[in-house]
Amino acid sequence: GDSVTQMEGPVTLSEEAFLTINCTYTATGYPSLFWYVQYPGEGLQLLLKATKADDKGSNKGFEATYRKETTSFHLEKGSVQVSDSAVYFCALSVIQGAQKLVFGQGTRLTINP
Amino acid sequence: NAGVTQTPKFRILKIGQSMTLQCTQDMNHNYMYWYRQDPGMGLKLIYYSVGAGITDKGEVPNGYNVSRSTTEDFPLRLELAAPSQTSVYFCASKNVQAWNTEAFFGQGTRLTVV
Repeated sequence: GDSVTQMEGPVTLSEEAFLTINCTYTATGYPSLFWYVQYPGEGLQLLLKATKADDKGSNKGFEATYRKETTSFHLEKGSVQVSDSAVYFCALSVIQGAQKLVFGQGTRLTINP
Repeated sequence: NAGVTQTPKFRILKIGQSMTLQCTQDMNHNYMYWYRQDPGMGLKLIYYSVGAGITDKGEVPNGYNVSRSTTEDFPLRLELAAPSQTSVYFCASKNVQAWNTEAFFGQGTRLTVV
């Protein structure tokens, strides 16, 4: 079945550090890929997405590139801020089966000033 | 535009009690979903619906029931609550016309079964 594997957390960085959170996937179809973010006490919000190979999604300084050859969608940011502290979820969706989202386990990110 | 609204935000249940988690969306989305989020785990799909009157099981449906009598509402029913159902529950909805667009999530219901 479809699955998503994320980098184990928690991750703690200093402000202005470079961030990478790894994400790989397995899918029978040709999925769309997403990064969702969950700030403390809130629901999930879409951070960025990519719908086909070599697409780059970007938002708020975060980027991720859809790599079909390595089945990966790693999240990166060049200079993190304290306000980026949150839980980040990688997810995929395929057109079959009511377009259900399949999530990775989430990575908790803490940025220290 | 309220988006996806869940009630209640918090609830404590005793073992064997029942309750209904409410979910309403005002975006006219056909697709709706219920997920649960356990500590250190990703979200697991409980049930989903592709339209009024149509529901189907997800990955972890045991102990839950749903109904979808209108486009807007998708309540989740817990019968005979068990400690294993302690979790955070999220409702989500999606535009059926565009398969690669985002799902919108409610703020969640934190349920504790004691």
